[in-house]
Amino acid sequence: DSGVTQTPKHLITATGQRVTLRCSPRSGDLSVYWYQQSLDQGLQFLIQYYNGEERAKGNILERFSAQQFPDLHSELNLSSLELGDSALYFCASSAGGAGEKLFFGSGTQLSVL
Amino acid sequence: QQPVQSPQAVILREGEDAVINCSSSKALYSVHWYRQKHGEAPVFLMILLKGGEQKGHEKISASFNEKKQQSSLYLTASQLSYSGTYFCGTTGAGSYQLTFGKGTKLSVIP
Repeated sequence: DSGVTQTPKHLITATGQRVTLRCSPRSGDLSVYWYQQSLDQGLQFLIQYYNGEERAKGNILERFSAQQFPDLHSELNLSSLELGDSALYFCASSAGGAGEKLFFGSGTQLSVL
Repeated sequence: QQPVQSPQAVILREGEDAVINCSSSKALYSVHWYRQKHGEAPVFLMILLKGGEQKGHEKISASFNEKKQQSSLYLTASQLSYSGTYFCGTTGAGSYQLTFGKGTKLSVIP
């Protein structure tokens, strides 16, 4: 158990809908990362937050947004969903430094039908 | 910029050795190595910071050549439990973004 909690584990929805993925970091970690992993693909970096502030942004679509709340949990919002958004979404947390290891949650499997 | 991993896949028999390479075209601050088993989350193996140090345990170690912006992961005397996809992730100087390569699928067979 990494200590990072992601909910829900599975999500099935239809095209055009909006969903919210939730992540609670390990106790004491200030930084949260979001990654997208499609079938047989690598881990695509979406966005990173540190103590409530956006710190780094990857190739995140405009239809996607995220935030980190004062209690340090984070939410990833995906809207106007398309079939191609179907993927495994991982959240990871770290203490916050550039060279610190990430602890990954078990992921949310999103299926867009 | 995404680091490049090679090989894409490798099949080993138990007890054989393997090397997985990771290279980047940009100056690196750190290189991370993670292993992901099918259906599971990636799990941290090790981090190397610029300086060319080699780190690891008895049978899994890694090196980082700062001048060449390359890292290699060494797996010796492979075990069935080593099977999985290995990802290298890199951060650039002055950046917190951890970008992963596409992964190397390692299969260890009896």
